[in-house]
Amino acid sequence: AQSVSQHNHHVILSEAASLELGCNYSYGGTVNLFWYVQYPGQHLQLLLKYFSGDPLVKGIKGFEAEFIKSKFSFNLRKPSVQWSDTAEYFCAVSHGGSQGNLIFGKGTKLSVKP
Amino acid sequence: DVKVTQSSRYLVKRTGEKVFLECVQDMDHENMFWYRQDPGLGLRLIYFSYDVKMKEKGDIPEGYSVSREKKERFSLILESASTNQTSMYLCASSLRPGDYSKETQYFGPGTRLLVL
Repeated sequence: AQSVSQHNHHVILSEAASLELGCNYSYGGTVNLFWYVQYPGQHLQLLLKYFSGDPLVKGIKGFEAEFIKSKFSFNLRKPSVQWSDTAEYFCAVSHGGSQGNLIFGKGTKLSVKP
Repeated sequence: DVKVTQSSRYLVKRTGEKVFLECVQDMDHENMFWYRQDPGLGLRLIYFSYDVKMKEKGDIPEGYSVSREKKERFSLILESASTNQTSMYLCASSLRPGDYSKETQYFGPGTRLLVL
């Protein structure tokens, strides 16, 4: 069965620190990859997504993610976090035969100390 | 902007009650989804629908049913609520063009259900 693994449950950083959140998936075929974010008290919303082409994808609010096919990974990065990045981050995967369904990871909670 | 609304933000029900959670989207999306979100478990798909009156089971359909009588509305039904159904329920919608696996899902604010 397909699965998505997020390595960290809770990450605590100080402002201006660099961020990298890990995501690995298990599916042998072509995948579509997504990062969603849920700010406290807000809707889950799309941060960025990757289908094909340049494996380095840029999203909103200075986030980027790199698809490494050989490692089945899609890690999320930000060079310098802000207090407002405090949120829960979810990695998700879909593929062509999935009817548009997303398989989500368990999420990583990010706390940024001012 | 896509808007997905859910009928209640908070709901308290008793064990054995029948519970209806309503979701409405205003962007003419074909696909609609119901997830439950639990701490440490992420989002798990309960049911989805790709057209009116069509439904497909997700990963955890037991104890739930759904109804889609109109394109914009997707209801989740707990036939006989149990305490293990206490959770946050999220509705989402997306377009269904040729390659719909690439489509962004748009989420509602969630309904936090407590079953006593």
